[in-house]
Amino acid sequence: AQKITQTQPGMFVQEKEAVTLDCTYDTSDQSYGLFWYKQPSSGEMIFLIYQGSYDEQNATEGRYSLNFQKARKSANLVISASQLGDSAMYFCAMRTNNQGGKLIFGQGTELSVKP
Amino acid sequence: DADVTQTPRNRITKTGKRIMLECSQTKGHDRMYWYRQDPGLGLRLIYYSFDVKDINKGEISDGYSVSRQAQAKFSLSLESAIPNQTALYFCATSDGGRGPGLSGYTFGSGTRLTVV
Repeated sequence: AQKITQTQPGMFVQEKEAVTLDCTYDTSDQSYGLFWYKQPSSGEMIFLIYQGSYDEQNATEGRYSLNFQKARKSANLVISASQLGDSAMYFCAMRTNNQGGKLIFGQGTELSVKP
Repeated sequence: DADVTQTPRNRITKTGKRIMLECSQTKGHDRMYWYRQDPGLGLRLIYYSFDVKDINKGEISDGYSVSRQAQAKFSLSLESAIPNQTALYFCATSDGGRGPGLSGYTFGSGTRLTVV
């Protein structure tokens, strides 16, 4: 079964420090995509970063990087130099090849950045 | 204007009422999705559509119906709302990219529905 697991319901980080949000996935597909989204308290889903299963390099977008370990089926999000505005819910998701290319989401991790 | 617009943004309705949530997009994407978000469960797929004539159930379609009026419009209906349908609802679109390439998804801002 295809599944995304985020085992950290909530995390705290000090402002300006780095933080890693964990994500493991399960799929038998050879081709898939992994996404991270940020959801602030206002509710919208903000795309952060994408990693394709065939991408050899880890994805980076500004302060966000994705630590992709294919053999371990993990796709952890690393946020460097945390800012107060990073406080939000973070979702890991996987694009599937069935059901119309739907995204399967993890349960989310709520990140709180302390000043 | 937003690429994917959901209306209303917030709605409170009574048990047993019929309610429609609307979604329109300017992305030109063929694929449209309705998701539901509950605390601690992430987002789950209710329905998805490839085009006007192709509508499919997702994992939690019971109690919901949809209508794809045009490529740009995809509506979600609750025929007889019940309190456990209280949730945040998202419409999303996709360009349906295949293979290893990026398949772009665009989300609406969400509709907060409360059934009392």
